[in-house]
Amino acid sequence: EAGVAQSPRYKIIEKRQSVAFWCNPISGHATLYWYQQILGQGPKLLIQFQNNGVVDDSQLPKDRFSAERLKGVDSTLKIQPAKLEDSAVYLCASSRDPEAFFGQGTRLTVV
Amino acid sequence: AQKVTQAQTEISVVEKEDVTLDCVYETRDTTYYLFWYKQPPSGELVFLIRRNSFDEQNEISGRYSWNFQKSTSSFNFTITASQVVDSAVYFCALGPGGYNKLIFGAGTRLAVHP
Repeated sequence: EAGVAQSPRYKIIEKRQSVAFWCNPISGHATLYWYQQILGQGPKLLIQFQNNGVVDDSQLPKDRFSAERLKGVDSTLKIQPAKLEDSAVYLCASSRDPEAFFGQGTRLTVV
Repeated sequence: AQKVTQAQTEISVVEKEDVTLDCVYETRDTTYYLFWYKQPPSGELVFLIRRNSFDEQNEISGRYSWNFQKSTSSFNFTITASQVVDSAVYFCALGPGGYNKLIFGAGTRLAVHP
């Protein structure tokens, strides 16, 4: 079974620029999550989708972050405009049962 | 409040030593899940174990064992006879209300030296 795929693996941008991350979950997993992991900390949930509907986006900074899940499968997370404090690893995860399976993440550096 | 505390920031051991990683959680939910994940240098979070709040039976899987005690709100993880390949950051996580939204602790970095 293929795992959660994310791209790109690494991205360096200047502050105030825009960036987008892509995630392809495990086939058949209805639930998809985006987490932000700042260096030295545990992952923090940004948004949770159930199929193509948003279940929880209470911790998503909506003034600059947006996410969508197309047709209940792939998802994109966008940051516009980026700030220095957005430097982090962005992890996508999907689940069918209680345990979530994570991708390798996208490491974003904002300079 | 929903919270997970991993008080040990870093642990360093010599190969073949046993090591226990501590995890204390807070939740008012009666139904919840607890998890341990491993994050090797490659960055991917690897699922290790899930426990639901109604199952306090301890579990052993090879060199890994988990001790879940609701009375102390703890879910500790022990690696027996540690190996260099066990070097990673280990995260304890809480899934409140039985849902998959995970609340992670800050992680414990384990370094196993030959």
